[in-house]
Amino acid sequence: AQSVTQPDIHITVSEGASLELRCNYSYGATPYLFWYVQSPGQGLQLLLKYFSGDTLVQGIKGFEAEFKRSQSSFNLRKPSVHWSDAAEYFCAVAGGGFQKLVFGTGTRLLVSP
Amino acid sequence: DTGVSQDPRHKITKRGQNVTFRCDPISEHNRLYWYRQTLGQGPEFLTYFQNEAQLEKSRLLSDRFSAERPKGSFSTLEIQRTEQGDSAMYLCASSSPGQGNSPLHFGNGTRLTVT
Repeated sequence: AQSVTQPDIHITVSEGASLELRCNYSYGATPYLFWYVQSPGQGLQLLLKYFSGDTLVQGIKGFEAEFKRSQSSFNLRKPSVHWSDAAEYFCAVAGGGFQKLVFGTGTRLLVSP
Repeated sequence: DTGVSQDPRHKITKRGQNVTFRCDPISEHNRLYWYRQTLGQGPEFLTYFQNEAQLEKSRLLSDRFSAERPKGSFSTLEIQRTEQGDSAMYLCASSSPGQGNSPLHFGNGTRLTVT
């Protein structure tokens, strides 16, 4: 069965600083990987996805993620964080013929002035 | 694209009462999903429809839960005899036909509080 680990519950980053959120997955075959963002009281918005091909994927809002099969990781990065990036970030993995996503427990990003 | 719409946004109910939530997916999406998210956790899969057919249900979906999608468009999720442990955000998502892993588009959820 698939599983996702997001080891950081909270991360605080200064505005303008770079960001990396960690995600490790467990899946026996080639995974389909996603990052979603959730603002308080809202649903989830897709930031980016990896299905195959180039292991560095670009997403919306200046985010990117790199798939590393050898490390079973799919870390999310942003070179310069904005105050509006403060939210909860979820990594998810899917496998098989339909979108049964398995989510991590999330990382809450706080942005300090 | 008007997005996935869920109604109501918030529901407060007393233990033992029945509640029903509605989800309207993006119009051309034939796949619809229900997830549940408790505080401090990621969303957990509950059930999945392709058109009107309910193709998979999680073990999380006890006998008190029932989901329908009668005409392959909107869906309802009913919880009978609610318990305090049912308090959570219920998220609906939809995806388009075609490639098996097209991304899910989520609604803003229905937050249920059982008192």
